[in-house]
Amino acid sequence: SQKIEQNSEALNIQEGKTATLTCNYTNYSPAYLQWYRQDPGRGPVFLLLIRENEKEKRKERLKVTFDTTLKQSLFHITASQPADSATYLCALTSGGYNKLIFGAGTRLAVHP
Amino acid sequence: ETGVTQTPRHLVMGMTNKKSLKCEQHLGHNAMYWYKQSAKKPLELMFVYSLEERVENNSVPSRFSPECPNSSHLFLHLHTLQPEDSALYLCASSQGGGGFRDTDTQYFGPGTRLTVL
Repeated sequence: SQKIEQNSEALNIQEGKTATLTCNYTNYSPAYLQWYRQDPGRGPVFLLLIRENEKEKRKERLKVTFDTTLKQSLFHITASQPADSATYLCALTSGGYNKLIFGAGTRLAVHP
Repeated sequence: ETGVTQTPRHLVMGMTNKKSLKCEQHLGHNAMYWYKQSAKKPLELMFVYSLEERVENNSVPSRFSPECPNSSHLFLHLHTLQPEDSALYLCASSQGGGGFRDTDTQYFGPGTRLTVL
């Protein structure tokens, strides 16, 4: 069956360090992968989209990699700040109508 | 804010009640979505509307009834719900329209926290 896996355990890191979150998928061949941020009590907010023919995408302190051979995406936040604390969701496009399949998310806590 | 609003933000209802959730987008988008988010579970897509026509119905029980009167408004009518339906219900919109593009970003509202007693 199709599955998207994100580390369900919270990731705790020190301010200033690089946070790395993992998204693995099985039985998909997505052309695109997206990352969203979700704060408690709020809806997800789009961060980055990466295409299957792009190995890496950057936006300010964010970097996403996409390895279609490993079926894995890594999401990095460099020079992390307490304000980066949130749950980060990866999502794949599946089928028509821009249908997104989400992982359960990884909660990131950045400590001062 | 994202340009997508949802009301009410919180709703408590009994199993025999009938209530409606409302979503409005101010982005000029043509596609709208309902998602369900339960604790510790991934977002589940419920319905997709494109140009006011329902194009996806993900095996959702009939006690959930969507309505899209125009491209800016989306409703979710609730009737005889079960306690396991308690969750955060999220509305989203994207450019969509005649041709969905996989690169279209989805913009989410803040959600309605629903509790069924």
